[in-house]
Amino acid sequence: GAVVSQHPSWVICKSGTSVKIECRSLDFQATTMFWYRQFPKQSLMLMATSNEGSKATYEQGVEKDKFLINHASLTLSTLTVTSAHPEDSSFYICSARKGGTSTDTQYFGPGTRLTVL
Amino acid sequence: GENVEQHPSTLSVQEGDSAVIKCTYSDSASNYFPWYKQELGKRPQLIIDIRSNVGEKKDQRIAVTLNKTAKHFSLHITETQPEDSAVYFCAASRKAAGNKLTFGGGTRVLVKP
Repeated sequence: GAVVSQHPSWVICKSGTSVKIECRSLDFQATTMFWYRQFPKQSLMLMATSNEGSKATYEQGVEKDKFLINHASLTLSTLTVTSAHPEDSSFYICSARKGGTSTDTQYFGPGTRLTVL
Repeated sequence: GENVEQHPSTLSVQEGDSAVIKCTYSDSASNYFPWYKQELGKRPQLIIDIRSNVGEKKDQRIAVTLNKTAKHFSLHITETQPEDSAVYFCAASRKAAGNKLTFGGGTRVLVKP
């Protein structure tokens, strides 16, 4: 199997607060996890690549101080949206890359819907 | 960087007919091309993938073809069923770029009973 979970599945927060989203690979070790955001009726946009034990690599235009990523273990990566604002409201999805012969295959978590009031 | 274009953006087919979605990519070094199906509010599900050393791959009603020279790949769904209705995304990646996926814009498929 290749199961990826995310928590929470949805969150509503006030503007200015911080929100932490967890991404876990449940039945495999993931040296690399990826964080995406998806606006309604749009495609997935890669935000950053999270590597276990090292700093995340952010895509151009993504503020690393606003979207803090920590990959503390081979099964857990977290995304913290700091000082959230209404424009941060989106669907955040993580994926994990499974090692082995198919090292390029990514499996996605169920997503977290963030609403900032 | 990589750029992936996907067409059409919407596709309506009659149940039982075939559906074809096409994608083009810009980076000739890309070597992995997955297709994902996403239902409303849910996670993208990998339905089929193809690597650059293969020209065609089939899994029951789903097939993918790859033309490396032209840098395009296509998803074919035969005998469509209402449960095939969803948004389909193509993507491309290469190992040297950390296996980062670049997604196409998506195709909303509606299968009419």
